[in-house]
Amino acid sequence: GQQVMQIPQYQHVQEGEDFTTYCNSSTTLSNIQWYKQRPGGHPVFLIQLVKSGEVKKQKRLTFQFGEAKKNSSLHITATQTTDVGTYFCAVFASGGSYIPTFGRGTSLIVHP
Amino acid sequence: DAGVIQSPRHEVTEMGQEVTLRCKPISGHDYLFWYRQTMMRGLELLIYFNNNVPIDDSGMPEDRFSAKMPNASFSTLKIQPSEPRDSAVYFCASSPRTVNNEQFFGPGTRLTVL
Repeated sequence: GQQVMQIPQYQHVQEGEDFTTYCNSSTTLSNIQWYKQRPGGHPVFLIQLVKSGEVKKQKRLTFQFGEAKKNSSLHITATQTTDVGTYFCAVFASGGSYIPTFGRGTSLIVHP
Repeated sequence: DAGVIQSPRHEVTEMGQEVTLRCKPISGHDYLFWYRQTMMRGLELLIYFNNNVPIDDSGMPEDRFSAKMPNASFSTLKIQPSEPRDSAVYFCASSPRTVNNEQFFGPGTRLTVL
């Protein structure tokens, strides 16, 4: 079945530092989505990447899809305490099932 | 739109009891998903529906779990009998048009089975 790994599992940063989480798939993907879940909350959609090598930005967040469409990254510049939460990738296998597989998530803790 | 609505928000029950979780998807969304989230296993897809029809229930852990969607605005996830290892947060999500559109999650039901 579809295997997806997210690293790191946890990341502590000082406010103002940058943060990056990585999502790696064992197979080629058709597309990938990123979600954020605040503590005690529910996952909220952030963005979808479809094209090889695609880069999208949302203010301080930069999302990248690998050239081989097997990995992705989310980078946050100058973290703020409002960035606290768990960031999940959800991957869709290429040419196969359209069921999303969620990664285990990376929990970001921002120290003021 | 009020978003995806789930009830109850919290449920505490005793082992062996029947538990029914409810979900109202966003109007007009064709897809409905049920997920379970635990620290140990992360976010797991249990089952999803397309236009009220169950498409894939391979994630349903056991025969104790069942899900229905009698109409476009309502779905239930039932556990009978419940066990302590079923304790988790259960999310319902809906999605428009295609299954790999963005998913809109409800607030979840936190289930505790004693």
